[in-house]
Amino acid sequence: GNSVTQMEGPVTLSEEAFLTINCTYTATGYPSLFWYVQYPGEGLQLLLKATKADDKGSNKGFEATYRKETTSFHLEKGSVQVSDSAVYFCALNDSWGKLQFGAGTQVVVTP
Amino acid sequence: DGGITQSPKYLFRKEGQNVTLSCEQNLNHDAMYWYRQDPGQGLRLIYYSQIVNDFQKGDIAEGYSVSREKKESFPLTVTSAQKNPTAFYLCASSIDRLASTGELFFGEGSRLTVL
Repeated sequence: GNSVTQMEGPVTLSEEAFLTINCTYTATGYPSLFWYVQYPGEGLQLLLKATKADDKGSNKGFEATYRKETTSFHLEKGSVQVSDSAVYFCALNDSWGKLQFGAGTQVVVTP
Repeated sequence: DGGITQSPKYLFRKEGQNVTLSCEQNLNHDAMYWYRQDPGQGLRLIYYSQIVNDFQKGDIAEGYSVSREKKESFPLTVTSAQKNPTAFYLCASSIDRLASTGELFFGEGSRLTVL
């Protein structure tokens, strides 16, 4: 079946540091891939998405590229801020239109 | 403002009691979903509904029930049959079937604690 694997957290880094969160997936067919973010005390919100191989999703300084050859969708940001502290979820949608989420990676950015 | 409203935000329940979590949306979305979030396990789908008066079981439906009598409402009942109900519950909606956009809109969640 489909699955999403993310690096475990928490990831702790200083403001202005470079952030990478690894995400790999297994799926039949060609799913769309997503990153969702959950700020403290809130629900999840869509951060970015990519619908086919080699697509790059980007939003709020975050980027992720759909790599079919490595079945990966790593999230990156060049210079994080304290306000980026949150839990980040990688996800894919299956052929029935349901989202499959990874376990989430907590990111803590310190001043 | 348009969005999804979940209530209550915090709920305590004694063992053996049923409890109903409310989810209301004013986005005019067709599809609605209930997820359960546990530490280190991500989100797991409990039930989903793509149209009024119809709903489908997700991956962990046992011990839960839902109804979809109105487009804007999708309440979740956690029954006494649910063996480990303490969790954070998230309701979400999407414009239509996920395959078209993949975007879910989430409420702020309800935290249920069984005493």
